[in-house]
Amino acid sequence: SQQGEEDPQALSIQEGENATMNCSYKTSINNLQWYRQNSGRGLVHLILIRSNEREKHSGRLRVTLDTSKKSSSLLITASRAADTASYFCATDAKGAGANSKLTFGKGITLSVRP
Amino acid sequence: NAGVTQTPKFRVLKTGQSMTLLCAQDMNHEYMYWYRQDPGMGLRLIHYSVGEGTTAKGEVPDGYNVSRLKKQNFLLGLESAAPSQTSVYFCASSSDLTYPAGYTFGSGTRLTVV
Repeated sequence: SQQGEEDPQALSIQEGENATMNCSYKTSINNLQWYRQNSGRGLVHLILIRSNEREKHSGRLRVTLDTSKKSSSLLITASRAADTASYFCATDAKGAGANSKLTFGKGITLSVRP
Repeated sequence: NAGVTQTPKFRVLKTGQSMTLLCAQDMNHEYMYWYRQDPGMGLRLIHYSVGEGTTAKGEVPDGYNVSRLKKQNFLLGLESAAPSQTSVYFCASSSDLTYPAGYTFGSGTRLTVV
């Protein structure tokens, strides 16, 4: 079963625009992570936000976490054609077996038009 | 380059054949994972290991076996391949889920069972 569900499933924007992707999850978490996957490649870790954090920045990436709503958002500012990829949220759930494995969502396909 | 190496990259099997996928990491990570990725399904955890000599079942373990005899290697076996196991398989490793670096993924093995 999927812990994280991303929204929208697909997003198409113009280069230079901002891209916002959302993730909702079901159970309490230790942390939430975002990954990028270029076509035909493995996933690459982008950013991790812990359950006691509300916002983190890394370059053009901004991640927010609202544990009361069990949701997170990933904002990519000033998008570039090279940002075209699939983006996944992944959660590290609290409880038995926690701190040992991530559960991934189904992903969002982002297309950035030149 | 340091990272996660998966072999082979591509394989075609006939129904009923067996094979082993090899994952090797040179980062001294404790945790290793096998995921499968299918269209529209995201990544689903097959098996994982929290240290040398340990293995545990993930979300979709049926039809697969794993072994972690050495810390740097994590093997995924298919004893009797079925068409439903046609997928892209990803191996990943991590030192600790609380560490901000997250998972490091291999480049994947594309398996087709005919």
